[in-house]
Amino acid sequence: DTAVSQTPKYLVTQMGNDKSIKCEQNLGHDTMYWYKQDSKKFLKIMFSYNNKELIINETVPNRFSPKSPDKAHLNLHINSLELGDSAVYFCASSPQGVDGADTQYFGPGTRLTVL
Amino acid sequence: GQNIDQPTEMTATEGAIVQINCTYQTSGFNGLFWYQQHAGEAPTFLSYNVLDGLEEKGRFSSFLSRSKGYSYLLLKELQMKDSASYLCAVKDSNYQLIWGAGTKLIIKP
Repeated sequence: DTAVSQTPKYLVTQMGNDKSIKCEQNLGHDTMYWYKQDSKKFLKIMFSYNNKELIINETVPNRFSPKSPDKAHLNLHINSLELGDSAVYFCASSPQGVDGADTQYFGPGTRLTVL
Repeated sequence: GQNIDQPTEMTATEGAIVQINCTYQTSGFNGLFWYQQHAGEAPTFLSYNVLDGLEEKGRFSSFLSRSKGYSYLLLKELQMKDSASYLCAVKDSNYQLIWGAGTKLIIKP
């Protein structure tokens, strides 16, 4: 019954490694998002996808690449991990496009620790 | 630049009422959201305001004044489970959601 799911929940890795975080939503929503929440608790949007098209691409390093095989999935791949990438990453989805007044439904988050 | 301001932390007593303020300066306005986030968990939607005035939903109410760039979330009959962070977020003219850092609310018995 999980609406928005992410795997893994925890990820500990070494600097320089490449890792992926998976996200799936079973709500039939059109738009999915990736957020980064740092130690200061600011939620910063990284990407959003609407019907497999990237519609917001914030100024994140190109080491981060979203991949959406279909409307229900938006995975996040990170190359050459750095210490500053340590944070909690949240996936979210919403039923309409970004111009809607609709709410966003968040996944449980992935706590990434880079050593 | 775009900015959302909220108090960092507030403390209130169980059964009481608390008001969490949010002021914003954004390039345009297309709605304001309040989310609740318990420690170690994901944010969950509480309320949405796009027109001036008060929106009431059970124990929680949210108020908006667009001319003042101001909103507040009012929580009544506080319960221990209301201890959480409350995030204010505004959609700007590009429909991009700008988030505040959140207000950590501590409820004491």
